[in-house]
Amino acid sequence: EVQLVESGGGLVQPGGSLRLSCEASGFTFSNSWMHWVRQGPGKELMWVSWISSNGIDTSYADSVKGRFTISRDNARNTVFLQMSSLRAEDTALYYCARATGGAAAGDWGQGTLVTVSS
Amino acid sequence: QSALTQPASVSGSPGQSITISCTGTSSDVGGYNYVSWYQQHPGKAPKLMIYEVTNRPSGVSHRFSGSKSGNTASLTISGLQAEDEADYHCSSHTNSNSWVFGGGTKLTVL
Repeated sequence: EVQLVESGGGLVQPGGSLRLSCEASGFTFSNSWMHWVRQGPGKELMWVSWISSNGIDTSYADSVKGRFTISRDNARNTVFLQMSSLRAEDTALYYCARATGGAAAGDWGQGTLVTVSS
Repeated sequence: QSALTQPASVSGSPGQSITISCTGTSSDVGGYNYVSWYQQHPGKAPKLMIYEVTNRPSGVSHRFSGSKSGNTASLTISGLQAEDEADYHCSSHTNSNSWVFGGGTKLTVL
């Protein structure tokens, strides 16, 4: 059974940093491209970032470029999202998702909540 | 990258069919056959229902179907059931090698 378990969310002040983790199991992690997607209070999903299976290629949404960094450790079956210079508008539930082909995410975690507030 | 445009809400009675539209541009929906649809029940993670415009993952009901014309993709649910009541989100690959989602549509089964 595929499992994606996010952790690392919490309350952080504007301008602060946070590192999210997503531990994967139930599939060959090192063969899978991974994504972070967030969902704000308005319920709209927003794609944040992806990383290739070997970690060499990455891509970011314009709104987080330069502030967020995605990385992975295939030995630990874990993908990370390092977030810095956080803003109130980054407040959201952050989901880790596995790309399953055709630019689609077939597997999702349950999310970790990030709240940016003073 | 601007979000794809979806209606905020749609509704239908049990047994009826409904269609949810998802409008983008030639840089995303119109340029690639990489449109996906997700179903999300309250408090739950999104679930993939359609990928590559028309394909259903294993286990997804045949009542769900997808299509595309130009810059607009559509999700049709036939034979509406109470359990179909949920939020539906579309997404597309873009020419920036990124993804973009729609604003989401709340489906109410009357």
